Amino acid sequence: KQEVTQIPAALSVPEGENLVLNCSFTDSAIYNLQWFRQDPGKGLTSLLLIQSSQREQTSGRLNASLDKSSGRSTLYIAASQPGDSATYLCAVRIIQGAQKLVFGQGTRLTINP
Amino acid sequence: DAEITQSPRHKITETGRQVTLACHQTWNHNNMFWYRQDLGHGLRLIHYSYGVQDTNKGEVSDGYSVSRSNTEDLPLTLESAASSQTSVYFCASSERNGYTDTQYFGPGTRLTVL
Repeated sequence: KQEVTQIPAALSVPEGENLVLNCSFTDSAIYNLQWFRQDPGKGLTSLLLIQSSQREQTSGRLNASLDKSSGRSTLYIAASQPGDSATYLCAVRIIQGAQKLVFGQGTRLTINP
Repeated sequence: DAEITQSPRHKITETGRQVTLACHQTWNHNNMFWYRQDLGHGLRLIHYSYGVQDTNKGEVSDGYSVSRSNTEDLPLTLESAASSQTSVYFCASSERNGYTDTQYFGPGTRLTVL
């Protein structure tokens, strides 16, 4: 059974710092991996999607990497801003269940002004 | 703009009552999903549908049912609400093409079962 883990559960950093969020998964047989952002009381917003054949994806100040063989992904946020404060979730699409996602429990990020 | 909406946003009900949560999307997506989000468990898949008249069970489907009579709507029914079903429920949709299958999420429904 695929399990997705995100460590740490919470992270607090001063504004302007570069930071890395971690995601690990137990079964390397994945179709893709997505990073989502969730603001309090809101739904999830997709940030980046990495196909299993790709190594990384970039969008603005965000860069996500994927090492499928080791079961790891990182989300790099450059020059963090208070508006980046949110919970970040990663999810893997498992090959056996088309379009079914398995989610980690998220990292709650706080950027202090 | 295309969107996905859920109603109600908040619901309080009593144990044993039947409850239906609505999900409506205007993306014209074939795929629709229902998740629940709980502390300590993250998001877990309840049911999903790949098109009209198609429904499938997810990992936590006991006590829930769905039906898909058109492309836009996938209502989630709790047949006899239990306190263990107190949670935040999210609906999502995605395109049929599996390669670019970003899921778009609704704002959620917070359900409390007393």
